[in-house]
Amino acid sequence: DIVMTQSPASLAVSLGERATINCKSSQSVLYSSSNKNYLAWYQQKPGQPPKLLIYWASTRESGVPDRFSGSGSGADFTLTISSLQAEDVAVYYCQQYYSTPLTFGGGTKVEIK
Amino acid sequence: EVQLVESGGGLVQPGRSLRLSCAASGFTFDDNAMHWVRQAPGKGLEWVSGISWNSDYIGYADSVKGRFTISRDNAKNSLYLQMNSLRAEDTALYYCAKSPYKRSVTGNFDYWGHGIVVTVSS
Repeated sequence: DIVMTQSPASLAVSLGERATINCKSSQSVLYSSSNKNYLAWYQQKPGQPPKLLIYWASTRESGVPDRFSGSGSGADFTLTISSLQAEDVAVYYCQQYYSTPLTFGGGTKVEIK
Repeated sequence: EVQLVESGGGLVQPGRSLRLSCAASGFTFDDNAMHWVRQAPGKGLEWVSGISWNSDYIGYADSVKGRFTISRDNAKNSLYLQMNSLRAEDTALYYCAKSPYKRSVTGNFDYWGHGIVVTVSS
């Protein structure tokens, strides 16, 4: 099974500042034939289901604000919120879809400082 | 508008069974693989099972393999999860989730239902 490790577990960022979340996979999730990273990011606000933000490690889902960006390749990935807004308070999860069982990181809770 | 509505949850004793359903609308159901993902109280997300558009490909988490069975009825636009031999550790909010892909059970989840609570307790 591919183990997904997120860091930090929580972070507090001032409004308008940058938030950076890291995600490491226990093996590469880069599929060589397509040159695509099978990595997604989700946002979950309290009492709501998760919402897809990013897929293929860096492709923003339709309607997602451009302050959210994903980067990385192979086994190291980053989700960046360039200018934190109040509505971005949530838990963020990475997920690999390279192989089953599909696995998620443990989550990163983002709060306002 | 894509809608996924789960039903069938509730309180059940350990060792008993429960069947979850997910009614889908707003998209062509047999164009997409579908999944169940769960979230224990205060915990993170755990993939439970996935099924391809025509049921040819099915996958399960090790934690439920041999106890849970996923199925779908494309004529009824519905996804199911038969849960047998339930344990306390199966207590969670169960989400129905749509994949943007058709044939594979590997995929991300572009739409989620609001979830249904399953509580396993005596």
